[in-house]
Parts: sequence; structure tokens; C-alpha cells
Amino acid sequence: DAKTTQPPSMDCAEGRAANLPCNHSTISGNEYVYWYRQIHSQGPQYIIHGLKNNETNEMASLIITEDRKSSTLILPHATLRDTAVYYCIVRVATAAGNKLTFGGGTRVLVKP
Amino acid sequence: KAGVTQTPRYLIKTRGQQVTLSCSPISGHRSVSWYQQTPGQGLQFLFEYFSETQRNKGNFPGRFSGRQFSNSRSEMNVSTLELGDSALYLCASSLMGDSTDTQYFGPGTRLTVL
Repeated sequence: DAKTTQPPSMDCAEGRAANLPCNHSTISGNEYVYWYRQIHSQGPQYIIHGLKNNETNEMASLIITEDRKSSTLILPHATLRDTAVYYCIVRVATAAGNKLTFGGGTRVLVKP
Repeated sequence: KAGVTQTPRYLIKTRGQQVTLSCSPISGHRSVSWYQQTPGQGLQFLFEYFSETQRNKGNFPGRFSGRQFSNSRSEMNVSTLELGDSALYLCASSLMGDSTDTQYFGPGTRLTVL
């Protein structure tokens, strides 16, 4: 599985953009980058995913570098409810099915 | 559409007992995966079921088992409980379980082993 590296924690001011980096230097050509977040003791919530191109949805934007070795999740206007652990995951699909391999994630604290 | 549901939400057992947890996927989803989350090990993949067949398994002892029914509902069982099995058990469902499918998680079952 391609490994991901994220900073363990970061703070963000309410109303400002939060930029969450992720390194995945060993990613292979057919592996997707997924982002989930987990608010305390709840199930992880899907945010966004992408393969090569930048993606945007109602929650966030995902910027993937051209060499695909890193990506950035952007929360455009962080709110207090965005305080959570954010996981960057490289999705492995094999002939035997697929699984999500979670790393340690980034603990994001949005401050008023 | 209703999300993934898991029952029970909380469970307390003692060492040596066994436990069965249930997961109902989103309607139409055929793939169900199970994960264990502990403070020490984080989120770890247990197994995945698709069309009533286990097609992927994580690195857990044989005490952890599961099954999937024809309506895609899934159960996981842990026998001979140990203190270290105390964890949040999460179930996730996806349409077909391939790399373009998004997995949606349920709220989890919090298991405490005394």
C-alpha cells in the first residue's frame, strides 16, 4: 500500500482557509487519493477524492501535484464544526477487493 | 437515503465472552467493510464482504470473523474476548467495492471489555 504522511496537528482561525498537506510519494498510477475526517468518536466522514486532476465539491477542494506525490485538502472557510481529525488515504484496489489504510491523520483545531 | 446503521451502539462484555455486531449498509450497496479503531493502533481494516463472500482480510486473529447475508447486511463476531478488543468497531459500505467507489461509514459500535 502506498503510505501517506501528514502533519500530526494544525490550528486554523475560524473563517480562514485551512490547507492540509499530505505526502504520498510512493503512489502508483491507478491509486486514488481520498480524504476523510472524523469528529470525535463518530464514524469517518467522506470529504473528497481524486486521481490526477484537482477536484472541488461543496465541502472542500483537493489539489494534487502533477507528479501525484503530494496533495492538499483545502477547507475554504473553516468553521468550528470543522474541528476533527483529517485522514489522507491512498486507495488500493486489488483483485481480492479493496481496503482503506488509515495513517495517523492531522488533528485540526479551528479557533474562534 | 438512510445511511449506514450499526447496532448496538454501545456494548459492555467481560473477558472470555463473545459478541456479535451488526451493520446495515446503505440501500443498494453490496460491499461491506469492517474496521477497528483503538487509541494505540488507530483505524485498522478487519475484513471486507461482497455478495456474501469475504474477499479481503486484515491482519487479525481468527477470533474475529464475519459474514454477509443476501440482503447485504453484515455481522462480525469476536469470540473469547480480550481486554485489548475494547475499541470502536466501524462498518463502511460501498456500491461495488472497487477503487472508484466511496466507502461510507456508520456511527460505530463502542465495545468495552472488562
